[in-house]
Amino acid sequence: GEDVEQSLFLSVREGDSSVINCTYTDSSSTYLYWYKQEPGAGLQLLTYIFSNMDMKQDQRLTVLLNKKDKHLSLRIADTQTGDSAIYFCAETPGAGNNRKLIWGLGTSLAVNP
Amino acid sequence: DTEVTQTPKHLVMGMTNKKSLKCEQHMGHRAMYWYKQKAKKPPELMFVYSYEKLSINESVPSRFSPECPNSSLLNLHLHALQPEDSALYLCASSDRVRGDTQYFGPGTRLTVL
Repeated sequence: GEDVEQSLFLSVREGDSSVINCTYTDSSSTYLYWYKQEPGAGLQLLTYIFSNMDMKQDQRLTVLLNKKDKHLSLRIADTQTGDSAIYFCAETPGAGNNRKLIWGLGTSLAVNP
Repeated sequence: DTEVTQTPKHLVMGMTNKKSLKCEQHMGHRAMYWYKQKAKKPPELMFVYSYEKLSINESVPSRFSPECPNSSLLNLHLHALQPEDSALYLCASSDRVRGDTQYFGPGTRLTVL
């Protein structure tokens, strides 16, 4: 079945770049998403990429998609303490019409001053 | 505007109580979702409404009863819950026509005593 994997923890210093990685198994994925969740809050859509794209940039965020390796990454430039949160990778499988999201377990990003 | 609102923010209820969670969106989205999320875990899909019809029920116990009165509103009626049902309940919506990117509300933190 479809699966999405992420490393569970990442710690960076304020001002450095953060790179959060995700791998998925469904080669027919259509959309891949990054959501951010701060403590006690809901899920904030950060960015998404369509499967026919290799890269997407939005201000401090850069998403890279390697379809051959089924690898997705999120780079946050100039990481700030406000970026401390759990980051979830999710994909929309290509098969079927129900379009249920398949979620990774989340990467907890800690930004140290 | 990509806002999904949920009320109440917090809810404490006993196992014999009946309560309801409410969700609203005014983005013209035709799909709405209920998720349950335990701390530091990805959200678990419970129900999906598509064009105001229940399209997915992920084998959720009958003590949770969803309702979609119109295309902007989604309710989750709760009755005879168990302490293990304590969690963050998230609502989301998506535009089924222009892709299925899901936008989440802030959630209702439910505690069952």
